[in-house]
Parts: sequence; structure tokens; C-alpha cells
Amino acid sequence: DGGITQSPKYLFRKEGQNVTLSCEQNLNHDAMYWYRQDPGQGLRLIYYSQIVNDFQKGDIAEGYSVSREKKESFPLTVTSAQKNPTAFYLCASSPTFGSHGYTFGSGTRLTVV
Amino acid sequence: DAKTTQPNSMESNEEEPVHLPCNHSTISGTDYIHWYRQLPSQGPEYVIHGLTSNVNNRMASLAIAEDRKSSTLILHRATLRDAAVYYCILTDSGYSTLTFGKGTMLLVSP
Repeated sequence: DGGITQSPKYLFRKEGQNVTLSCEQNLNHDAMYWYRQDPGQGLRLIYYSQIVNDFQKGDIAEGYSVSREKKESFPLTVTSAQKNPTAFYLCASSPTFGSHGYTFGSGTRLTVV
Repeated sequence: DAKTTQPNSMESNEEEPVHLPCNHSTISGTDYIHWYRQLPSQGPEYVIHGLTSNVNNRMASLAIAEDRKSSTLILHRATLRDAAVYYCILTDSGYSTLTFGKGTMLLVSP
């Protein structure tokens, strides 16, 4: 079945450590996105990539970094510069940038202690 | 991006129709109307989208007002599995990402 895989589902890290969240898709989609969700809130866009080897900052990119070296993969690194990293992180993809119908992964819940 | 306004929560009984409203009075002529839903502890799921005409698919129907300043997502027979947060989102087709508000939490009672 085609879809998006995010791993792990739960992740715990100590404050001050960088951590990388995995996102892999086998939908052959060009565009990929990272969102952050805090309790009781909507999703906020961190970074997006329209195509391989290209990415742009979203609304809350500070303290995060991404890479897009392969079409299938769009990992997100939460750096120690991110002041409030504890959140639910969601990865999504779409056939092309701006196309209708995003497919989302099941998310990674990151807790920093 | 044009903004949308949705009620914070709505309640329904199982097997009854549900009408989820969305106001978007500042919508532009090229804005599409999208609906997504998010079950607890899961990623959002695409439900339906439209531009001007009403739309139907296997999950739901989308009714768009003639002046396009409001729309309604219709679930024809609610089930317990439809309990979720429903997001109404506008996009300028081809040029924007999805911006999520707080949505409407739908509660379904047996």
C-alpha cells in the first residue's frame, strides 16, 4: 500500500540534543511538508519541499532544518535552538506543490525532557 | 490566505446527517475550499474539495453557497468513526500550502 511512514511514533530526548525525525513516502509525490501541532491547536507549517534538492521555510522554521536528497525522503532535524520542541510532528506529501489532497503520515510525538 | 470561521464543536447522533458550516467571507475567485479531518492522535485525512459547484464523494458532500462566502460539509449518516476535528481550509490553487485553523470538533453519540 502506498503511503507515508513516520518513525518512530514516540521519541524522547534530553534538552540540548538534536534529534532527526524520519519521513518516507512511496507515493511518487514531488512535494513534501512538515507540520507541528501543539495540544488543542491546528497544524503549523515548518518547512516544505516542492521537488528534490529544494526546500523552503514555512511559518515556524526557526530551530529546525531539513534536507531533500531523495524524492522519497524528507527528514526533519529538531535542533537545540528550538525553544519548545515538545510537540506532535506531522509529515505530508502531495503529487505536486499546490495540488489538492495531501496525504499525511501518522505523526511522531516528540517529548524533550 | 483568506481566513475561515468554524464553530469550535458540534454534536450529532449516530446514523443522523451532520452539517458542518464554514464561513469564508473574504474568499477570492481563485480560492479552493478544502476539508480535512483529524482523528485523535492521527494525521489529518483529506475529505473533499471544491471551487464553485457542489461536490460529492464516497466520504461526504460539499455544498458551496452561490456567493461562495460560506460552505457546508455534509456527512450523510454519522458513525462513531466520524468523531474527529474537521478543518475547513482555503488555498489559492497552485500557489499555497495548507494553513490549518483550530477546526470543529465533532462529537458523535451512539
